[in-house]
Amino acid sequence: EAGVVQSPRYKIIEKKQPVAFWCNPISGHNTLYWYLQNLGQGPELLIRYENEEAVDDSQLPKDRFSAERLKGVDSTLKIQPAELGDSAVYLCASSLGVSPYNEQFFGPGTRLTVL
Amino acid sequence: GENVEQHPSTLSVQEGDSAVIKCTYSDSASNYFPWYKQELGKGPQLIIDIRSNVGEKKDQRIAVTLNKTAKHFSLHITETQPEDSAVYFCAASNPQGAQKLVFGQGTRLTINP
Repeated sequence: EAGVVQSPRYKIIEKKQPVAFWCNPISGHNTLYWYLQNLGQGPELLIRYENEEAVDDSQLPKDRFSAERLKGVDSTLKIQPAELGDSAVYLCASSLGVSPYNEQFFGPGTRLTVL
Repeated sequence: GENVEQHPSTLSVQEGDSAVIKCTYSDSASNYFPWYKQELGKGPQLIIDIRSNVGEKKDQRIAVTLNKTAKHFSLHITETQPEDSAVYFCAASNPQGAQKLVFGQGTRLTINP
């Protein structure tokens, strides 16, 4: 079974440019998460989807970050404009069902470098 | 909200010895505590979890203990092997509350042959 797929794996942009990350969750997983992982830190939740509905986006900086999950499958996370402090790894995860006890499966992440 | 502290930040042990990583949490309502292992260039992977209705759980060489009164939980790895080298994260969640995992800062474990 394929795991969570993320692309691109690496992205280097200049500040003030836009950037987008794509995530394809495990087939059948209706809960999808985007996390931010700064160097040497644990993941921090940005947004959680249940199907196509964003049920927790309290940690998403809405002035520059946006996310969508059309049709409740793939998801895109966008930053516009990017700032130097946005350099980090952006992780996508998915889980089966809505129970918070369900295992979250993580993708390999997208490493963003903002110059 | 929940806050999770993890210690130590780095840990180096000889192959075959045991390793212990400790975490404390702040929200007494949290009742789900997973541990994740992250290898270089990969996303975190769940290795074991525990709910608050039990005090200890084992899976082969890995065990987790939970002390709800003191609000701390620990990961124990016995008979360590080189492939155990990775970054380990603890996390806590209140499934009846915010329902989100709050992660510790991570422990970089190195197994010396």
